[in-house]
Parts: sequence; C-alpha cells; structure tokens
Amino acid sequence: AQKVTQAQTEISVVEKEDVTLDCVYETRDTTYYLFWYKQPPSGELVFLIRRNSFDEQNEISGRYSWNFQKSTSSFNFTITASQVVDSAVYFCALSEDYNTDKLIFGTGTRLQVFP
Amino acid sequence: DAGVIQSPRHEVTEMGQEVTLRCKPISGHNSLFWYRQTMMRGLELLIYFNNNVPIDDSGMPEDRFSAKMPNASFSTLKIQPSEPRDSAVYFCASSLIVATSGYNEQFFGPGTRLTVL
Repeated sequence: AQKVTQAQTEISVVEKEDVTLDCVYETRDTTYYLFWYKQPPSGELVFLIRRNSFDEQNEISGRYSWNFQKSTSSFNFTITASQVVDSAVYFCALSEDYNTDKLIFGTGTRLQVFP
Repeated sequence: DAGVIQSPRHEVTEMGQEVTLRCKPISGHNSLFWYRQTMMRGLELLIYFNNNVPIDDSGMPEDRFSAKMPNASFSTLKIQPSEPRDSAVYFCASSLIVATSGYNEQFFGPGTRLTVL
C-alpha cells in the first residue's frame, strides 16, 4: 500500500535558520512521483516541486532544495535562510499512477518562522 | 488564465440540511479531483473524474456524499443530509492527463470551508 509519513508535526525556527522537513514514503511500484505542496495561512495549496522515481538528482530552487533518496524512501525538503513568509503547512505527496494522477498526501508539517 | 474556481468559499449550515459545493476546473483540463481536509484526517481524496466520468469514488465517506460532473467545466459535491462531522475544507483540483507524458500537476482551487452546526 502507498503511504506518506511526515513525522514532524510542527517545527519552529528563527528567521535565517535553515530547516529540513522530512518525508518518508512507501510504495510497491517502481514508477512513481513525489511532490511537495505549501499551504500558507490563507489556505490555498501551492505546488512546489514534482520528482519522478527515476530522477534522484537533488534539486535547488532559490532557497529551496530537495533531497530524494530511493535507498531510504525519503524526499526531504530544506529551506535555507528561512523567512517569516515561509511559515505554512508543507505537505509531501505521492502518486503511483500517472494515468490517474491520484495523490496520497502526508499529514503535513507546520513550519513557524519567527522574526 | 483563471485557476480552479470554487464556490462558495465559506458555508455555514445546520445539521440535516443539504449542502452543494461547486467547482469550475481550469479550461482544457480533463481530470477533476475532490479532496477533504480535516485536522484529524488531513487531506483525503474523495473522488476523481476523468473526461467527466467518475473513476474512483472509494474515498467518499458514505452515501450522504455524492458528486457529479455534468460537463467538462463544472462539478458539484453534495452532502445530504449534512452532519457536524462533515465540517472541513473541501478542495477541488484539476489536471490535464496525457497518458504518455507522465504525471501532470494538479492545480488546486482555494477551497470551501464548510461548517455544519
């Protein structure tokens, strides 16, 4: 069965600190996709990144970076030099079936960045 | 371009009343998803449609919930009768599935916050 675990319920940091959000997934498929979404206090879900299972290269986008490791079934998300505007709930998600695009979400990690 | 549109944004109703949530997907998208978000259960997929046809409704909690997609530009999620435990944020999302192109990003609407008293 497919499952996404975000063990960190809530993280608090002070502005400019680096923070890593953990994501561990379970799947029996060899082809799958992993995602991160951001949900700011306003409530909408904002797409951050998609990664397919064949591409283990780490990705960096500005202050955001993602570390995908198939050996440990993890897809961790790091924010460098965090800012108050990064405060949000972050969801990791998994899709095994690209013919249907079904997403299985983790329970989310609430990040609070204090000034 | 307009994103996914949901209405109403907020709905407060009394137990036993019928509630209808509406969604307009992004034009040209062929798949539509309804999710529910609660503190206890997080984000759950309720049902999704492909080319207006319901493909998987295994996430629909019970017979009180029903969803329709009469055409490519409109979908409804109905709860009848509503109960306090249905209080949640309901999200609609759409995507364009092309079978050979791999995963396609889902675009989410702003959500409808439902409160059942």
